[in-house]
Amino acid sequence: GDSVTQMEGPVTLSEEAFLTINCTYTATGYPSLFWYVQYPGEGLQLLLKATKADDKGSNKGFEATYRKETTSFHLEKGSVQVSDSAVYFCALHSFNTNAGKSTFGDGTTLTVKP
Amino acid sequence: AAGVIQSPRHLIKEKRETATLKCYPIPRHDTVYWYQQGPGQDPQFLISFYEKMQSDKGSIPDRFSAQQFSDYHSELNMSSLELGDSALYFCASSLVEKGSDRDYTFGSGTRLTVV
Repeated sequence: GDSVTQMEGPVTLSEEAFLTINCTYTATGYPSLFWYVQYPGEGLQLLLKATKADDKGSNKGFEATYRKETTSFHLEKGSVQVSDSAVYFCALHSFNTNAGKSTFGDGTTLTVKP
Repeated sequence: AAGVIQSPRHLIKEKRETATLKCYPIPRHDTVYWYQQGPGQDPQFLISFYEKMQSDKGSIPDRFSAQQFSDYHSELNMSSLELGDSALYFCASSLVEKGSDRDYTFGSGTRLTVV
């Protein structure tokens, strides 16, 4: 079945540091890939997505590239802010059937200190 | 732009009671998904519907049932509630005809607390 392996956390960085959160996946076919962010007590917010190989998703300074050859979708940001502190989920969605379903990684908690 | 609407936002129930969660997809979306996220966990797929028919089934307990209505909204019915059912329940919707993009969008979730 489908699976997503995400870099274990928690991750603690100083403000303006470089962020990388690794994500690799296993799936049949050609899934779409997503990064979601979740703030304490809140819902899932789509951060960025990519629907095919070599696509780069980007939003709010975050970016990730769909690498089919390495089955990876690593999240990066050049300079993190305190407000980026949250839990980040990597996910894939396989549309093997009409609806498909999302499979999530375990989540990585990011804390950014001033 | 319209988003996925879930109601209620918060719900408190006692053990052995019944709860009904509602999901209103983005207009024109034909597919609805339900996910459960326990405390400190990642969301787990429960069930999905395409054009009012059940499409895929995940780790949904037998005590739970769901359906999609003619107006495409969906309801998740949960009976004989247990303490372990306390979680954030997400609904998502998408449009199949948009191919691999599908406008796949999550709602803000319903937080269910069973006491």
